[in-house]
Amino acid sequence: KAGVTQTPRYLIKTRGQQVTLSCSPISGHRSVSWYQQTPGQGLQFLFEYFSETQRNKGNFPGRFSGRQFSNSRSEMNVSTLELGDSALYLCASSLVENPLQNTEAFFGQGTRLTVV
Amino acid sequence: TQLLEQSPQFLSIQEGENLTVYCNSSSVFSSLQWYRQEPGEGPVLLVTVVTGGEVKKLKRLTFQFGDARKDSSLHITAAQPGDTGLYLCAGASEYGNKLVFGAGTILRVKS
Repeated sequence: KAGVTQTPRYLIKTRGQQVTLSCSPISGHRSVSWYQQTPGQGLQFLFEYFSETQRNKGNFPGRFSGRQFSNSRSEMNVSTLELGDSALYLCASSLVENPLQNTEAFFGQGTRLTVV
Repeated sequence: TQLLEQSPQFLSIQEGENLTVYCNSSSVFSSLQWYRQEPGEGPVLLVTVVTGGEVKKLKRLTFQFGDARKDSSLHITAAQPGDTGLYLCAGASEYGNKLVFGAGTILRVKS
């Protein structure tokens, strides 16, 4: 069974540009969450999608957005990039459908974004 | 806002020693998970604890969930160099697939 696949693995962008990251969840998983990992802040929750709907959102500015497609694949977009957006962006998929059930997240390898 | 405080931040020990990592919060979590992350990779789930007071063992790793479901610990017996990595605890909120992560513990086991 294939794991969570994130593309690209590495990206270098300049300030002011926008970027789109892609995540393909484990087959059968309909919940996809995105996290930002930095040395200073650790892992911070961005948002979660289930059946093409954003179900949960973290405390990030509106420059960070996402979407999910009918095949559960998800993309996240960051517009007007800032130096502080440099981070490892991780996608996690989960089998859980009922948000009141326990969550076990399976992570991809991440996309390393560097903003210069 | 739910927060998880993880300690210690760094741990450098000799092969064969025992260690414990702690994860504490003032909030109740429906479940708590422990992950291990190696450089350049995403976190890998080690265990999920759900019931207050629950203890789970995974070979040399023992995980415990506090009675009030606010804290957890990870104990490693006879650490080996292969245990080196970043250990993360994560709490699942009462609603929604959102994980709150601790800051992580960087473990280095020297041979």
